Amino acid sequence: KAGVTQTPRYLIKTRGQQVTLSCSPISGHRSVSWYQQTPGQGLQFLFEYFSETQRNKGNFPGRFSGRQFSNSRSEMNVSTLELGDSALYLCASSLGDRDFYEQYFGPGTRLTVT
Amino acid sequence: QKEVEQNSGPLSVPEGAIASLNCTYSDRGSQSFFWYRQYSGKSPELIMSIYSNGDKEDGRFTAQLNKASQYVSLLIRDSQPSDSATYLCAVTGNQFYFGTGTSLTVIP
Repeated sequence: KAGVTQTPRYLIKTRGQQVTLSCSPISGHRSVSWYQQTPGQGLQFLFEYFSETQRNKGNFPGRFSGRQFSNSRSEMNVSTLELGDSALYLCASSLGDRDFYEQYFGPGTRLTVT
Repeated sequence: QKEVEQNSGPLSVPEGAIASLNCTYSDRGSQSFFWYRQYSGKSPELIMSIYSNGDKEDGRFTAQLNKASQYVSLLIRDSQPSDSATYLCAVTGNQFYFGTGTSLTVIP
């Protein structure tokens, strides 16, 4: 079974621009969560989507948004990029059943904002 | 108070020894507990999940959960240099909460 895939793997953007990242979950997984990882802050939860609905949201500004499609693929958008948005963005998929909540991570998208 | 706390380390053990990694959590309602391994420059990889009190063994790895003490640990027996990585503890509440990770180095 194929794992979680993320595109692109690397991205360089300029301050003020916007970016869209994509995540394809493991087949059969209906939940996709997004995380930001930086050396200083560790793994920070952005949001979770389940069956095209945002189920949870972390403490990030509204510049960070996401959506999920009917095939469970998800996209994350960051508008008006800031230098501090430079990070590894990870998505993780799970079956979505809260009683069996194992999450599997994709390889991540390394975003650099200059 | 952070939801999940881990000793950041670094923790160094000789090859063949037992590495012990610890994690405490604040939400008594947490039901699911996980250990992830993350090599430098890579994404986290799930290595153990545990849902009930007691021990769960998988090969050289043993996860231990004590809900009364709000404590979960990971033991790695016969540590190998390939075990050198950062280990992340994760706990579920209304979302996944990750600790900041413990860096483990296994010295040949």
